[in-house]
Order: sequence, then structure tokens, then C-alpha cells
Amino acid sequence: QQQVKQSPQSLIVQKGGISIINCAYENTAFDYFPWYQQFPGKGPALLIAIRPDVSEKKEGRFTISFNKSAKQFSLHIMDSQPGDSATYFCAANRIGYQKVTFGTGTKLQVIP
Amino acid sequence: DTGVSQDPRHKITKRGQNVTFRCDPISEHNRLYWYRQTLGQGPEFLTYFQNEAQLEKSRLLSDRFSAERPKGSFSTLEIQRTEQGDSAMYLCASSARAANDQETQYFGPGTRLLVL
Repeated sequence: QQQVKQSPQSLIVQKGGISIINCAYENTAFDYFPWYQQFPGKGPALLIAIRPDVSEKKEGRFTISFNKSAKQFSLHIMDSQPGDSATYFCAANRIGYQKVTFGTGTKLQVIP
Repeated sequence: DTGVSQDPRHKITKRGQNVTFRCDPISEHNRLYWYRQTLGQGPEFLTYFQNEAQLEKSRLLSDRFSAERPKGSFSTLEIQRTEQGDSAMYLCASSARAANDQETQYFGPGTRLLVL
């Protein structure tokens, strides 16, 4: 059972554009929503995370928007750069529980 | 480099053989996790240790899989009688409890397994 659904599967954005990746979750017990960035040959690395008591969190060019009632959250990458080309995973877990449930990933390509 | 390390990085084996992977977590981290990642998918949780105790196991972890963390430091993941369906990237992560309970899991580079 896929508890975190992610779209799109792949995304091509021009340099300077906005990249948007969407996720939806089913389990209302989830209360922590991290995003991970993975480069080829590397393990995932935490990019940014949000708790459902806020609707938006921004760190540099990366913003998470969270809609608790719709059980949806999204990652926005402003001023996308070629160095942002990677696979992005949304994830969810319950604080205090160690199992993290990942989405299926979005392969982002930023073209010059 | 003081991050999570995994060995080997790549393993090719024949169906039916046993394989063992090693993970060395960040030294002060008491929690260690194993995940499996197949092509085009996100990591799937396999198991988790707090110190030397294995506290949770996924249903994905069949009886051919065994994980240990004997002294609460490094961990090993063994797959017995490998099958072609075991071909995947095996990721290890570690974390330490944070004051706000929002732990960050730090991932290693993974061991890519190919079963022929």
C-alpha cells in the first residue's frame, strides 16, 4: 500500500524557472514531512522538512507548502539551477516513530 | 569524512549465494536503519536498531534476511539464498535523538546488489 503518492515522475525545467513537485498522503497520523534530495550514486540527503502546524516553510530557494485538510504538500524550487538536477523524494513519518515512508521520487532536470 | 559509510558499494552475486553488507553509522548516532531502494522507487524501510536492539522489522524482511548490530556500532545485513528479486540498492541510515524528537536520518551511499 502506497501511503505517500508523488508526482510528477519526471520534470524538466529551464534554468531560472520554478520547479514544483507534489505529494499526497493517506495516513492522518503522519506529523512530520521531510523532503530528500538524491544525486546519482549517493544516498538521499535531507533538504527541508515541515510539521503540519504550519502551512509553509522556506529555506533559501526551497519552499514547502502544506495543506492539512487536503493531505497534500509540495516542494517549490525557485530560480532552479542545473546543480538542482537530482531525484527528489517526499516522505512522511510520525514523530517518535522511526519508520519513514517515502514517495516514489521525481527526477528533476534543470536545463541551461 | 564522518558520514555514514557502507561496504561494499557494489556486489554482483549468483542466485542462491549468500551476501553480507556492512554499515558504519555516524559515531555518536545510536539509531541505525536499513532501507531497500529499487529503480524508480523511493527507499523502503526494512529494519531499525536502537543501540544493539533491533526494535522494528518490516514485512519486507523475509526470513532470508537478517540484520545485526552486535555492539551498537556497525551493522551487518545478510541475505541468504539470494533471489533475482533481491537486486536493489541497500541503504543504511543513522540518527541521534533530537531535543524536539525530529530526528534527521543521515544516509550512506548504499550498496548496489545485482543477483544474476
